[in-house]
Amino acid sequence: GQQLNQSPQSMFIQEGEDVSMNCTSSSIFNTWLWYKQDPGEGPVLLIALYKAGELTSNGRLTAQFGITRKDSFLNISASIPSDVGIYFCAGRSGTSYGKLTFGQGTILTVHP
Amino acid sequence: SQTIHQWPATLVQPVGSPLSLECTVEGTSNPNLYWYRQAAGRGLQLLFYSVGIGQISSEVPQNLSASRPQDRQFILSSKKLLLSDSGFYLCAWRRSYTDTQYFGPGTRLTVL
Repeated sequence: GQQLNQSPQSMFIQEGEDVSMNCTSSSIFNTWLWYKQDPGEGPVLLIALYKAGELTSNGRLTAQFGITRKDSFLNISASIPSDVGIYFCAGRSGTSYGKLTFGQGTILTVHP
Repeated sequence: SQTIHQWPATLVQPVGSPLSLECTVEGTSNPNLYWYRQAAGRGLQLLFYSVGIGQISSEVPQNLSASRPQDRQFILSSKKLLLSDSGFYLCAWRRSYTDTQYFGPGTRLTVL
């Protein structure tokens, strides 16, 4: 099946630093989604991307749909302690709606 | 607005005992419903999905089964739990013809 390679697997940063993570695939994706999961809770949607080259922001978060349609990145600016959690990318590679392919997640730790 | 509920929030069960986890969605009709399992706080493994009442697709052969007795109710079951069934179980829903899946709060299952 489809696979997404998400990197880095984990990040340890100081409060105030910027963060960048990405997902790549060997296949073309039609939709890219970024989720954040707080400990012990379900993932929450951060940003959804639907067109190649699309750049979308949500507060301090910015995500882009790669022009090749095989990658996406998420940036977090000026990190704060509540940014701690697991960030997942997800995407749909087929033409039919239904299943998403998820990356393995990036664990973010922010030191005050 | 739409909300998704899961219960119980946590469960500790002995090996060989039965299981029933429930997921309900409010505020929408004809949702597509999903069960995922997450091990060790990392990747999401799709277990089952349903496009309508009584319609269940299984993604991986396993000790679990799913049922959808009502439009907005999705149940995950097992007749005899195994140690390997331990994990964090997430239910999700999405509207037809859209990609975004919205997750519930999850159920932490520990099999001893």
